[in-house]
Amino acid sequence: DSGVTQTPKHLITATGQRVTLRCSPRSGDLSVYWYQQSLDQGLQFLIQYYNGEERAKGNILERFSAQQFPDLHSELNLSSLELGDSALYFCASSVAGASGRAGTDTQYFGPGTRLTVL
Amino acid sequence: DQQVKQNSPSLSVQEGRISILNCDYTNSMFDYFLWYKKYPAEGPTFLISISSIKDKNEDGRFTVFLNKSAKHLSLHIVPSQPGDSAVYFCAAKAVTGANSKLTFGKGITLSVRP
Repeated sequence: DSGVTQTPKHLITATGQRVTLRCSPRSGDLSVYWYQQSLDQGLQFLIQYYNGEERAKGNILERFSAQQFPDLHSELNLSSLELGDSALYFCASSVAGASGRAGTDTQYFGPGTRLTVL
Repeated sequence: DQQVKQNSPSLSVQEGRISILNCDYTNSMFDYFLWYKKYPAEGPTFLISISSIKDKNEDGRFTVFLNKSAKHLSLHIVPSQPGDSAVYFCAAKAVTGANSKLTFGKGITLSVRP
């Protein structure tokens, strides 16, 4: 158990809908990262938040957005869903997440949310 | 553009033998590398890491070797056990970059035969 929790575990929805995925980081971790894993693909970085502020963006679609709340939990919002958005979405957390020496801190992953868009 | 490549999608080894999982990268800015193990229906679990200032890091049965000039790293598991059967992801990042995002390979499925 990594200490990172994600809800829900599974989500089935229809095209055009909007969903929210939730992540609670490990106690003491300030950074939250979101990754997407599609079929036969490695994990693709979407976005990082550090202590409530957006720190970095990866290949995140404009239909997707995220935020980190004062209690450090994070939500990933996916809207206007398409069939191709079906994937596993992982959240990870780390103590820091800044560049420099702190950049070597380990990211710990949650169990993921499996999103199926029908 | 795949900056981290795990060219062999699968590997099968006998229990007790050595497993060697390979990973190549193209981005010369990467200076910190990690291996994660993933079981079905679970998130990736951190296994071992190595900084570019080293060429080897060992933790129990797991050893990671880094060849910077070849932009290649490998994970050695000795001896391999059936419980090691999982998908192994190689990941890299640029520590001095603007963020800590990890760039992952597509993974290698390791099967350890009893």
